[in-house]
Amino acid sequence: GENVEQHPSTLSVQEGDSAVIKCTYSDSASNYFPWYKQELGKRPQLIIDIRSNVGEKKDQRIAVTLNKTAKHFSLHITETQPEDSAVYFCAASRGNTPLVFGKGTRLSVIA
Amino acid sequence: DSGVTQTPKHLITATGQRVTLRCSPRSGDLSVYWYQQSLDQGLQFLIQYYNGEERAKGNILERFSAQQFPDLHSELNLSSLELGDSALYFCASSVGPAAEAFFGQGTRLTVV
Repeated sequence: GENVEQHPSTLSVQEGDSAVIKCTYSDSASNYFPWYKQELGKRPQLIIDIRSNVGEKKDQRIAVTLNKTAKHFSLHITETQPEDSAVYFCAASRGNTPLVFGKGTRLSVIA
Repeated sequence: DSGVTQTPKHLITATGQRVTLRCSPRSGDLSVYWYQQSLDQGLQFLIQYYNGEERAKGNILERFSAQQFPDLHSELNLSSLELGDSALYFCASSVGPAAEAFFGQGTRLTVV
């Protein structure tokens, strides 16, 4: 089955800097790659997703890139703010299978 | 509010006991997923139902079982509980495959 590796496990950045989180997946048939943000004590919430027919997607300060050949995708957050501090999870699915999540990245934005 | 409702929010029980966690998916969503999140751990997939039928199984223990009812709500049953079963249990729902999964607020289970 699918296996998703996520790095780094923790990331600290200064406010205003960029943050990059990387994930690799094992199932070449996976075609849906969402990113979830989980604030302390709250539920995971989707922040952006990308499908296999697209190489990059952007939504304001957040962007995701996908390299199907290398089987990896990345989350980029620019101009980080303290409210970006949370745990971020990547996930992968081949569409008819459940989302398989990475172990998460704890992002701390230092003011 | 995601539209996914989980009850109860908190549950404290003793080892060896059995509990039932309940999930009501968003209106119109046919897929229901159960995930377990232990301290500082990721989201471990347990089981998926689609329109009343079991669709996929993850690392779900034999002591755990689940079902989805005709009205699409789902229940996760945990029996012979052990200390290591203490975790946050999330239910999520989606309209179908490769679609956004909406998470409930979770049930925090503490086994003492």
